[in-house]
Amino acid sequence: GAGVSQSPRYKVAKRGQDVALRCDPISGHVSLFWYQQALGQGPEFLTYFQNEAQLDKSGLPSDRFFAERPEGSVSTLKIQRTQQEDSAVYLCASSLRQGVSEQYFGPGTRLTVT
Amino acid sequence: GDSVTQMEGPVTLSEEAFLTINCTYTATGYPSLFWYVQYPGEGLQLLLKATKADDKGSNKGFEATYRKETTSFHLEKGSVQVSDSAVYFCALRKVNRDDKIIFGKGTRLHILP
Repeated sequence: GAGVSQSPRYKVAKRGQDVALRCDPISGHVSLFWYQQALGQGPEFLTYFQNEAQLDKSGLPSDRFFAERPEGSVSTLKIQRTQQEDSAVYLCASSLRQGVSEQYFGPGTRLTVT
Repeated sequence: GDSVTQMEGPVTLSEEAFLTINCTYTATGYPSLFWYVQYPGEGLQLLLKATKADDKGSNKGFEATYRKETTSFHLEKGSVQVSDSAVYFCALRKVNRDDKIIFGKGTRLHILP
């Protein structure tokens, strides 16, 4: 496809379960970003990759959150031992290169922790 | 730290009314400024952008001017349509080692026919 895709689109997890959220960026895009959007709020930065290198993970809210992009393309955001406060929409974005390139957003994964 | 503040919603207008959504920012250096839109059930889309002071971004009848002296980037449209109903996010990005975008909290816009 031409855009950023994310899967699953919806995920319901029981508190304490681990979840994995996948992002397929636009082919050839070097930069990849994860954001968290709580209900009624704007997206907040979680982490940033340039190719396979995770250059900034300052937005990850706790050590239960882990992201990887081992081959510089697909990325996975993993949340261990989910808590209710993790319920949010998780957005992935990619851009062609660092600098002035536009970021293209995926549709998001809505995570509900019960 | 860097931040974006935008007017709280919801904003309700009649069709063909004039729209202004206020946005101000705090940032060191020279950020790029953006308006994103999120239509019901859809993902975030870039609406318009401006990369330096006095630049005007425009798209789909919407406009915003980068005002460094007032640190503002207000969104305007002369005549809104029902199809403009959505959530609008003001945002900034500083081009450096990481290009993360900092978003405002969003303003929900309802247009009545």
